[in-house]
Amino acid sequence: QKEVEQNSGPLSVPEGAIASLNCTYSDRGSQSFFWYRQYSGKSPELIMSIYSNGDKEDGRFTAQLNKASQYVSLLIRDSQPSDSATYLCAVIRDTGRRALTFGSGTRLQVQP
Amino acid sequence: EAGVAQSPRYKIIEKRQSVAFWCNPISGHATLYWYQQILGQGPKLLIQFQNNGVVDDSQLPKDRFSAERLKGVDSTLKIQPAKLEDSAVYLCASSLGPSGTEAFFGQGTRLTVV
Repeated sequence: QKEVEQNSGPLSVPEGAIASLNCTYSDRGSQSFFWYRQYSGKSPELIMSIYSNGDKEDGRFTAQLNKASQYVSLLIRDSQPSDSATYLCAVIRDTGRRALTFGSGTRLQVQP
Repeated sequence: EAGVAQSPRYKIIEKRQSVAFWCNPISGHATLYWYQQILGQGPKLLIQFQNNGVVDDSQLPKDRFSAERLKGVDSTLKIQPAKLEDSAVYLCASSLGPSGTEAFFGQGTRLTVV
């Protein structure tokens, strides 16, 4: 079982729609959760962090965390073609390796 | 604020040759990471430094990879000898705190081994 799992996609949504990206993790002791955006040929860029159960909103982005279900998601409202990228979910475990552990990413395509 | 600097941006070498990558983290960031990202995959941690000490190198192939962080600032990652499967983007990242929260990445070095 992978430590962080994401659907590779591509997830295709029309411009203006809500894009929903999902991630599950295996280590129940994970404490910190992040979403990074990576454009093709570029390095990952942090867009959201979340540490406690519930929702966290930042502009068009909302991160949702459910530790009981070991599930974290990212919603992008009013999706724009410029949001087309790969979205990487990353977690930090509470014990052992404390660096970011990444999923393989979900490729999002926003159709104009 | 200047970001994480890496060089070179691109490198092509033949298998069995050696190669070195350089990273300068964001000023004041005590924690530095080297990640390997193979095409189509997420970044995989190779080594984590806290100041100039190694925190985690459990996934570093030590028979061919080495890394150092002198004086707790710049870092170099070396591969000797390179294999075809080492073709990847090598990403350096840094964070302010010791536990890796909110790490910021450099532009990466794209290595092609032929």
